[in-house]
Amino acid sequence: ILNVEQSPQSLHVQEGDSTNFTCSFPSSNFYALHWYRWETAKSPEALFVMTLNGDEKKKGRISATLNTKEGYSYLYIKGSQPEDSATYLCAFSGTGNQFYFGTGTSLTVIP
Amino acid sequence: KAGVTQTPRYLIKTRGQQVTLSCSPISGHRSVSWYQQTPGQGLQFLFEYFSETQRNKGNFPGRFSGRQFSNSRSEMNVSTLELGDSALYLCASRTEPAETQYFGPGTRLLVL
Repeated sequence: ILNVEQSPQSLHVQEGDSTNFTCSFPSSNFYALHWYRWETAKSPEALFVMTLNGDEKKKGRISATLNTKEGYSYLYIKGSQPEDSATYLCAFSGTGNQFYFGTGTSLTVIP
Repeated sequence: KAGVTQTPRYLIKTRGQQVTLSCSPISGHRSVSWYQQTPGQGLQFLFEYFSETQRNKGNFPGRFSGRQFSNSRSEMNVSTLELGDSALYLCASRTEPAETQYFGPGTRLLVL
């Protein structure tokens, strides 16, 4: 079983704060790293998929970076808003096509 | 395009019963994966079907099985339900291997 770890497990920030979380994954047999946002009572929503070492993706106030050599990805949220409150999941997909999800980082943005 | 749909959304069963969950992928998606989520756990991979064939399987007992039809719709079956099977079951579809998965709303199963 492949281990994908996310930290921190949960986070409370004030509205307007910037924050970041980490996803660690094996550096071997790497194909892609995915980030999802999962709001309560909704389906997980895809944010980014990254495949190349050094990839950086941005969507509004959210961005992500990827380091495949050392096996980590960072997700950044600039100027957090209450609507950013959700669980952020990362998933590693290897050359065997299977997805391995981390347990997520639960973000609460306090107005 | 319509998203991934799952039926039913909620289900209550008793121990020993069996249950079948259904997932209709996004049109054109041939891969359907199933996941289980329990409190405190991440998404645990159950299995993946691609073009009616099981392509990958997670570490779950044989009570969990699935299939995929020619129209890519998939069903998941759990026989002899146990209390620990109470969970949210999500399915996800995608076009090609390792491409982004799109999730359905899930089926919440409660086993009493």
